[in-house]
Amino acid sequence: DAGITQSPRYKITETGRQVTLMCHQTWSHSYMFWYRQDLGHGLRLIYYSAAADITDKGEVPDGYVVSRSKTENFPLTLESATRSQTSVYFCASSGGSYNEQFFGPGTRLTVL
Amino acid sequence: AQTVTQSQPEMSVQEAETVTLSCTYDTSESDYYLFWYKQPPSRQMILVIRQEAYKQQNATENRFSVNFQKAAKSFSLKISDSQLGDAAMYFCCTYSGGGADGLTFGKGTHLIIQP
Repeated sequence: DAGITQSPRYKITETGRQVTLMCHQTWSHSYMFWYRQDLGHGLRLIYYSAAADITDKGEVPDGYVVSRSKTENFPLTLESATRSQTSVYFCASSGGSYNEQFFGPGTRLTVL
Repeated sequence: AQTVTQSQPEMSVQEAETVTLSCTYDTSESDYYLFWYKQPPSRQMILVIRQEAYKQQNATENRFSVNFQKAAKSFSLKISDSQLGDAAMYFCCTYSGGGADGLTFGKGTHLIIQP
């Protein structure tokens, strides 16, 4: 189906484990983004990518790694998960820097 | 850096009435965009309305309209004829690009619709 998907939708892991959240879009959008949503903070930008092989840090990048080898995929990796990374993670894509961002359904991650 | 302030953590309105959600922002950029996103209990983020800062005319989308006051850096959302399906979290956002890509979000306003 066309659109933007995230997997898994729910994930429980333990402190210190590596976790990868997947994001896939079918629109061939150039721009892709990762946000985290926490109570009292709204959404905050973790990383973004303007094109394949181009990524840059957002507001809260510490503890996260991204890659973008293909236009349609933008995985987010927590190299060593911490409890403070318990959050809902949203991936988004956009056809241009000033265009509307389309959001995936989110991944709820719990780090025990 | 940009900041977005939504001073109303929660608002309540009777069905069919009108409600206005407040938003103020701060940016040093001259060219930027403003958005309102809606997040219902399903958690899906849905664009409600957008406004280009260079446009003086306020954006309108059916029952949703904005009051954009550029000098005051204010961007309020008015919902007319409120419906039960409007119940959601509403987020005000700014975007200015220029190497700092990504939306800057306010903390959100929880809108309750009373039947």
